[in-house]
Amino acid sequence: QSALTQPAFVSGSPGQSITISCTGTSSDVGAYNYVSWYQQHPGKAPKLMIYDVNNRPSGISNRFSGSKSGNTASLTISGLQAADEADYYCGSYTSSGTRLFGTGTKVTVL
Amino acid sequence: QVQLQESGPGLVKPSETLSLTCTVSGGSVNSANYYWSWIRQPPGKGLEWIGHIYASGNTNYNASLKSRLTMSIDTSKSQFSLKLSSVIAADTAVYYCARLEAGTSDYFDYWGQGTLVTVSS
Repeated sequence: QSALTQPAFVSGSPGQSITISCTGTSSDVGAYNYVSWYQQHPGKAPKLMIYDVNNRPSGISNRFSGSKSGNTASLTISGLQAADEADYYCGSYTSSGTRLFGTGTKVTVL
Repeated sequence: QVQLQESGPGLVKPSETLSLTCTVSGGSVNSANYYWSWIRQPPGKGLEWIGHIYASGNTNYNASLKSRLTMSIDTSKSQFSLKLSSVIAADTAVYYCARLEAGTSDYFDYWGQGTLVTVSS
């Protein structure tokens, strides 16, 4: 299976909102509400930011939100901060019981 | 607080077998709804799901690696392991172990720090 498709780069100024898309198929993103998002700073392990499309784990800022429409999920970061500069990956359950990650998006704070 | 820690050789020769172990602390590998997973990331590239194992020993593997992959679990030691045979340079990556919560939800909530494995002679 191919990786889920994300834009390679997204940028924004401090305080702005940005949205990262994650496009899959009717066998993964479109079929289940099991999309998650991970933040990864350089040299660090990924960190769970959103699960099951639009749920935030304890301790994650409400500036991070998720949504889904059809085969595309989205992560929105509002009130962009310097600390948000990182790589972001989506993940999804698939109809074969496997898991898929997105291609990754590098977020730059201008 | 659940913690995961990978261990194993950092250098493996081509055609040999890569072996890694993940030790889980602060939680039980026998807990229901948790699957113990391996994920890798080649240098400068994205994440790739390798597979996972349940406490019962049931596994689910990435189809592209399945023929070379074996996972096992030792619940008495709170450890699970990965063996990838016939490695090539493209298997060079940071390997992460992670806990997958699955069932009514689906997400990787705890990750190890990752260990770099280089395939080179």
